[in-house]
Amino acid sequence: AQKITQTQPGMFVQEKEAVTLDCTYDTSDQSYGLFWYKQPSSGEMIFLIYQGSYDEQNATEGRYSLNFQKARKSANLVISASQLGDSAMYFCAMREGPGGGSNYKLTFGKGTLLTVNP
Amino acid sequence: NAGVTQTPKFRILKIGQSMTLQCAQDMNHNYMYWYRQDPGMGLKLIYYSVGAGITDKGEVPNGYNVSRSTTEDFPLRLELAAPSQTSVYFCASSYAGGPVGELFFGEGSRLTVL
Repeated sequence: AQKITQTQPGMFVQEKEAVTLDCTYDTSDQSYGLFWYKQPSSGEMIFLIYQGSYDEQNATEGRYSLNFQKARKSANLVISASQLGDSAMYFCAMREGPGGGSNYKLTFGKGTLLTVNP
Repeated sequence: NAGVTQTPKFRILKIGQSMTLQCAQDMNHNYMYWYRQDPGMGLKLIYYSVGAGITDKGEVPNGYNVSRSTTEDFPLRLELAAPSQTSVYFCASSYAGGPVGELFFGEGSRLTVL
């Protein structure tokens, strides 16, 4: 079974609108971390946001927020007020086990290609 | 602010040739990783290292070898290149001390095996 599932191969959004990119995960660990990375067409991987499994509040970083629903095992990325520069591939990833001394290996989903239309 | 540096950025190999992808980081990170990215498949972990002299296999290690003689460097060796190794390779590093441990990636190396 896939550990990280991103069911939307592609998404379109109008500039200035909000968009939600879906991510579900599968783990039996109680302690884990969830990450979102952005990959523009230039190819580099850019870290966006992190949510720990024990964090009670949803993570936010500027226009990015992570809608964490632990019981449903989902960690959706919400981008508010989309900009043309948000057009990119977005990857959800998971670290199984606690941070702070563990090896931090990440398992990635297949990604969602977001296109922001003017 | 070099971060993680990978060389070469592009390379074309013939079947059966060997080569080494170089990776260096200047952030004094303990952990380093090699991932490959195939179209539509996300990133898959090839090998990782938790410190100098310590390496371990990831999800797709066959056809590759690594070494970690220093904290800074983590080269990936491809022996007897095959078309299935055509991919984009990413080296990454992370700091061991914090609760997040986000990975910092290099710019990637695009390898084509013909």
